[in-house]
Amino acid sequence: QSVLTQPPSLSAAPGQKVTISCSGSTSNIGKNYVSWYQQLPGTAPKLLIYDNNRRPSGIPDRFSGSKSGTSATLGITGLQTGDEADYFCGTWDSRLSAVIFGGGTKLTVL
Amino acid sequence: QVQLQESGPGLVKPSETLSLTCTVSGGSISNYFWDWVRQSPGKGLEWIGYFSPSGTTNYNPSLQSRVTISLDMSRNQFSLRLTSVTAADTALYFCARDYGGHAFDYWGQGILVTVSS
Repeated sequence: QSVLTQPPSLSAAPGQKVTISCSGSTSNIGKNYVSWYQQLPGTAPKLLIYDNNRRPSGIPDRFSGSKSGTSATLGITGLQTGDEADYFCGTWDSRLSAVIFGGGTKLTVL
Repeated sequence: QVQLQESGPGLVKPSETLSLTCTVSGGSISNYFWDWVRQSPGKGLEWIGYFSPSGTTNYNPSLQSRVTISLDMSRNQFSLRLTSVTAADTALYFCARDYGGHAFDYWGQGILVTVSS
């Protein structure tokens, strides 16, 4: 069981908007930056968001991140079939002294 | 463009030591944190540990007694050793660059390591 809680699965139609939540605690999300990753089938994770809401070069602005208290959210607008993937949140846990990840959310675009 | 490539045996016997190397190309290995992350089949991501720019290491407490991460600047490589492996260590092992905020901006393609006799 992961320290960070994400919904196991979500689905939405092409063109729609979806939000993926990541719930933690005061020792992790509450005091540290959150990052988000997209993992397409059979590939390595890809960084989408770092420092809560910053996008690496090349990541479209359809992807956004936010944080409030001990929860973080990844937003994806204008859904495309190519967005079908697993999405993971990650952060540092100051109590565990370790990087931790959410269990992942499988996004289906149908 | 920075690229990372894992290498090592894909099959390790129970109780033996898993050893993997990550070769970094397209950029210097200095001034960054270098991490190992693994993913058990069909499961989520598990952080293993990092080697820092100052030469210190930090490991997942759940693996700390069995893990060593080292760095060879002359070869632009860093390595993972995991001792006394069991079937629970069967996973896809990724090496990754940690830009410093514990976010991983470059990843290797991953190497599947199976622990079996």
